[in-house]
Amino acid sequence: KQEVTQIPAALSVPEGENLVLNCSFTDSAIYNLQWFRQDPGKGLTSLLLIQSSQREQTSGRLNASLDKSSGRSTLYIAASQPGDSATYLCAVIDYGQNFVFGPGTRLSVLP
Amino acid sequence: SQTIHQWPATLVQPVGSPLSLECTVEGTSNPNLYWYRQAAGRGLQLLFYSVGIGQISSEVPQNLSASRPQDRQFILSSKKLLLSDSGFYLCAWSQGPYQPQHFGDGTRLSIL
Repeated sequence: KQEVTQIPAALSVPEGENLVLNCSFTDSAIYNLQWFRQDPGKGLTSLLLIQSSQREQTSGRLNASLDKSSGRSTLYIAASQPGDSATYLCAVIDYGQNFVFGPGTRLSVLP
Repeated sequence: SQTIHQWPATLVQPVGSPLSLECTVEGTSNPNLYWYRQAAGRGLQLLFYSVGIGQISSEVPQNLSASRPQDRQFILSSKKLLLSDSGFYLCAWSQGPYQPQHFGDGTRLSIL
């Protein structure tokens, strides 16, 4: 059974720092991986989706990488801003069309 | 563009009362639809998904049921709520299998 973990559970950084969020999954047979952002009391906003054949995807200050063989993905946020404060979740999609979510990393960017 | 609507945003219900949460999607046809529950400090748990009208798959045994009476309408129901049904309920859609999922704003359900 696929399990997804995210480290750290919470992170607090000063504004302007570059940071990395980690996502690990136990079964490397995934179809793709999706990163989401969740603001308090809100739904999830899709940030990036990486196909299993891709190594990385970029959108603005965000860059997500995928290493299927090691069961890891990282989300890199450059020049962090207070508006980046949110919970970031990753989810893997396996070949059975199952979405499995990680518990999330709660990010606070301090002005 | 596609949009997804969930209502109500918050709901407070007594134990034993019925439940109906509604989700609708605009701007697409024949979407895959999903209901998730998010407990405090935990990941999302898939409750139901649907690939078409009247087609519902349940992921976990529970006190809840789902229905899809129209192509872009997904309803989450219960006949008698339990305390353990409290949580944050999220509806999502995707264009098909393996496609990105897009979420509504969620319903915060509190059972008293």
